[in-house]
Amino acid sequence: AQSVAQPEDQVNVAEGNPLTVKCTYSVSGNPYLFWYVQYPNRGLQFLLKYITGDNLVKGSYGFEAEFNKSQTSFHLKKPSALVSDSALYFCAVRDIKNTGFQKLVFGTGTRLLVSP
Amino acid sequence: GAVVSQHPSRVICKSGTSVKIECRSLDFQATTMFWYRQFPKQSLMLMATSNEGSKATYEQGVEKDKFLINHASLTLSTLTVTSAHPEDSSFYICSANEGPNYGYTFGSGTRLTVV
Repeated sequence: AQSVAQPEDQVNVAEGNPLTVKCTYSVSGNPYLFWYVQYPNRGLQFLLKYITGDNLVKGSYGFEAEFNKSQTSFHLKKPSALVSDSALYFCAVRDIKNTGFQKLVFGTGTRLLVSP
Repeated sequence: GAVVSQHPSRVICKSGTSVKIECRSLDFQATTMFWYRQFPKQSLMLMATSNEGSKATYEQGVEKDKFLINHASLTLSTLTVTSAHPEDSSFYICSANEGPNYGYTFGSGTRLTVV
């Protein structure tokens, strides 16, 4: 089965500094990888996805992620963090069940705290 | 872009009653919808996958008779929590998928509190 791991429960960064939220994956076949952000008591908002093509994927709100096949990683990055980026971030991988249904398998989430 | 509307955003009900949560795709047809449950400070747990016009596929450990899912049209799926108990209190989120090569759009979630 496909899975993703987010090794950090929380990441702290000062506003204006670059941020990285880590994600590693384990898949059979080609990975379809996603990053989502969740604000308190809200659903998930799509940031970006990797299906194929360039290893550097640019997404919403200035975020980007680098797909690294040799390290099986898909870390989320932003050059300059904003206080408003403080939220819960989820990495996810698409899994195709034997029924043919596709579902997303989520990591445990990483809380990002950006201090002023 | 694609929008999924989830209603209600917050509901409080008495123990033993049933609660229905709706999930609508507003500007696209969703052949597949997903229902997740999220506990505080935890990740999303997939409860079931619903396909329009067929029975939902439940994940292991999820009670089918307790969490009734209906996907009657290409734009609407409902989750009914039957005979709710306090331990059912949680944040429920739906998601819709337009098709194999499209992304997944999430509703804004429903905070269910059973008292």
